Amino acid sequence: IAGITQAPTSQILAAGRRMTLRCTQDMRHNAMYWYRQDLGLGLRLIHYSNTAGTTGKGEVPDGYSVSRANTDDFPLTLASAVPSQTSVYFCASSDGSAGELFFGEGSRLTVL
Amino acid sequence: GQNIDQPTEMTATEGAIVQINCTYQTSGFNGLFWYQQHAGEAPTFLSYNVLDGLEEKGRFSSFLSRSKGYSYLLLKELQMKDSASYLCAVRDSNYQLIWGAGTKLIIKP
Repeated sequence: IAGITQAPTSQILAAGRRMTLRCTQDMRHNAMYWYRQDLGLGLRLIHYSNTAGTTGKGEVPDGYSVSRANTDDFPLTLASAVPSQTSVYFCASSDGSAGELFFGEGSRLTVL
Repeated sequence: GQNIDQPTEMTATEGAIVQINCTYQTSGFNGLFWYQQHAGEAPTFLSYNVLDGLEEKGRFSSFLSRSKGYSYLLLKELQMKDSASYLCAVRDSNYQLIWGAGTKLIIKP
């Protein structure tokens, strides 16, 4: 089934540890995004990539990094996790910057 | 600053009609989206408006007035499965999506 796959689905992490959330899409979409979703707040963009080899900072990029080595993969790394990074993380993709977004199922991260 | 406002929660009865409003103030406008998100799941696309007027898609319709910075999502013949959060998002002049916090819709029998 075509779509976006995220891993892990859920993770509990000790503060200070490094963590990479994986995201893979098979729709050959150029644009990919990482959002975090917190209760009472709208989706907030962390980082994005308009095409393979390029990345950009979103609204809340501090403490996160991304890479886009190829079209399909867009991992998000927390170099040293902090409790405020406890959230649900969604990866999304779109066919160009003007298209609708397709979302992965989300990764629930808890930092203790 | 950029802002999207929508009600936090609404309650409606199965079989009825409900209208969810969204007002926005953004730096430029390149389209407005509505997404549905069931609890614990990913958002899924419902509708897209870029010109003023009504877009109808089955039981769901979405309206846009760019001059008023206003949109609404209309859900007809409500079903229990329509219980979800409905997210309004506006694409700004930089083609970035600005998201509202979502409206939780509760459907009662």
